[in-house]
Amino acid sequence: SYELTQPPSVSVSPGQTASISCSGDKLEDNYACWYRQKPGQSPVLVIYQNYKRPSGIPERFSGSHSGNTATLTISGTQAMDEADYYCQAWDGNTADWVFGGGTKLTVL
Amino acid sequence: QVQLQGSGPGLVKPSQTLSLTCTVSGGSISSGVYYWNWLRQPAGKGLEWIGRIYSSGRTNYNPSLKSRVTISVDTSKNQFSLKLTSVTAADTAMYYCSRGGDGYNGAFDVWGQGTMVTVSS
Repeated sequence: SYELTQPPSVSVSPGQTASISCSGDKLEDNYACWYRQKPGQSPVLVIYQNYKRPSGIPERFSGSHSGNTATLTISGTQAMDEADYYCQAWDGNTADWVFGGGTKLTVL
Repeated sequence: QVQLQGSGPGLVKPSQTLSLTCTVSGGSISSGVYYWNWLRQPAGKGLEWIGRIYSSGRTNYNPSLKSRVTISVDTSKNQFSLKLTSVTAADTAMYYCSRGGDGYNGAFDVWGQGTMVTVSS
């Protein structure tokens, strides 16, 4: 089982907005970050510190955080955004990083 | 631009020790603002953090794996390594090395390509 809870799958039509949630106690006091992983590839950081985007990540990717829930939002979703998305947070009690189980985003 | 390249045997026998190395290129592993991670991902499943090491040698490990894991660093070779003892089929996975650091509030901004390890006799 995973410390953070994500929906297994989310579907969205091209051009629409996709939202992926991530919840868990570890998020109450810690930042969330998000990774995108396409089939056969290594994960790529898309959001860190809840809402910040690394250079090279399109503006359509955004993040938010409230209480024990973080949300990744993709506006104007494109076919290229189809991938698995993972949230991550730091567990200060055990000094380790924890992940969500991943969400498969399908762009129909 | 920093790149990570993982390497090691793709097949390990049950009860033996899995050993992998990650070579850092395009930057120094000794940069104090970064730390270096190992993660794994069984086929069709999610990511699991194994542990991390700073260039000073300080480590943190996933509590569920701590008794079997050792991560070490060789700054002279710009490499860090993973040893996982007493492996079973449950340790079969893609193993990734990655970089984390202050610049992204600890998040992992650089990843290796992954090394597939199968545990089988």
